[in-house]
Amino acid sequence: GESVGLHLPTLSVQEGDNSIINCAYSNSASDYFIWYKQESGKGPQFIIDIRSNMDKRQGQRVTVLLNKTVKHLSLQIAATQPGDSAVYFCAENSGGSNYKLTFGKGTLLTVNP
Amino acid sequence: GAGVSQSPRYKVAKRGQDVALRCDPISGHVSLFWYQQALGQGPEFLTYFQNEAQLDKSGLPSDRFFAERPEGSVSTLKIQRTQQEDSAVYLCASSGRQGANYGYTFGSGTRLTVV
Repeated sequence: GESVGLHLPTLSVQEGDNSIINCAYSNSASDYFIWYKQESGKGPQFIIDIRSNMDKRQGQRVTVLLNKTVKHLSLQIAATQPGDSAVYFCAENSGGSNYKLTFGKGTLLTVNP
Repeated sequence: GAGVSQSPRYKVAKRGQDVALRCDPISGHVSLFWYQQALGQGPEFLTYFQNEAQLDKSGLPSDRFFAERPEGSVSTLKIQRTQQEDSAVYLCASSGRQGANYGYTFGSGTRLTVV
């Protein structure tokens, strides 16, 4: 039978399109947020971070948006490539902790060539 | 080494067996973390070391779980009398700062399967 938790939210896009991955975080006291990329068989890899005193931060091909009012975080990937296919996790520093991260459930991004 | 190294990559244990998982952090990194990742889930915090001191072990699921870092570098996560619910990927991460605020570096993990 099926097990709860095995079915990640999924996003399928065409190569070259922009991708938007969303995340709702849990603790209003959290003040630091990170997006991680996890490929099969590997550990999470840091992509970009943002502090709560910012609404937006841009990196190379990636942008993170933070809406503290509704506790929502998003990751935008421009010109998505097949190498971007992975599971993406948002993480928050648990209630303001300076070392502990709380991860979201993850989104599976599939890029079709 | 250039990254966080974990061994073994895969471990199959019979229920009731003890296991030891090893983590070699990035050289010179002060902070070391263990996380547990169940299938299809995000990683969950287990424990945190700053040098050899274990500052937080609040995430360890039971007293069957024990972690150490005696010389402030290599760390071992030990699980006694393994149960099926212990099956997961165990991730180690390290940071050069005294804390996580800048995104620490994860290893590839040890996949533990308890049969």
